[in-house]
Amino acid sequence: DAKTTQPPSMDCAEGRAANLPCNHSTISGNEYVYWYRQIHSQGPQYIIHGLKNNETNEMASLIITEDRKSSTLILPHATLRDTAVYYCIVFDSNYQLIWGAGTKLIIKP
Amino acid sequence: DSGVTQTPKHLITATGQRVTLRCSPRSGDLSVYWYQQSLDQGLQFLIQYYNGEERAKGNILERFSAQQFPDLHSELNLSSLELGDSALYFCASSGHRGRGLNEQFFGPGTRLTVL
Repeated sequence: DAKTTQPPSMDCAEGRAANLPCNHSTISGNEYVYWYRQIHSQGPQYIIHGLKNNETNEMASLIITEDRKSSTLILPHATLRDTAVYYCIVFDSNYQLIWGAGTKLIIKP
Repeated sequence: DSGVTQTPKHLITATGQRVTLRCSPRSGDLSVYWYQQSLDQGLQFLIQYYNGEERAKGNILERFSAQQFPDLHSELNLSSLELGDSALYFCASSGHRGRGLNEQFFGPGTRLTVL
């Protein structure tokens, strides 16, 4: 079973920051949080991952709370091409990614 | 382009048949993962191979099997197909030197339709 909880859908205006929340209250101390996205039926695309500290790359920022029970993915200036399903994932005990249903993010013009 | 290739892109077959899906990982990646995605569902992890050896198993049916060859390409064999096996099947690879082992790169998928 997925170890993360995400809202099923969100809207965001084009050009604004999209903030996607994720709860992972049962995360273990050495488990990473990974974010992927899937545009339509294409293969999922890696976005970012983190353990404790906030992370930033060319695609997004990842903010992890101090207790590590939740995180937020931030797309700073959303474009129409960012419309996708976003998955927040942690590893299970077999070191495999367990995928939930994700958040369907719709960017509106 | 992730560097992972999958063939065929589409496959239409009948119940009871057997099919083979093929995946070539990114150059240098040692791990290959197989996933199944049914309509409007999340991805279900099936199986992982690392450098030719089975590494982890997920919710893979006994009718399904996989292998990774010495050149690191992998095949997923699906037999005695049922209507419910219709899905997108994704292959992913990881383990490229210099990257986190679990940053997975996905292929474009094979869409299997069982009639």
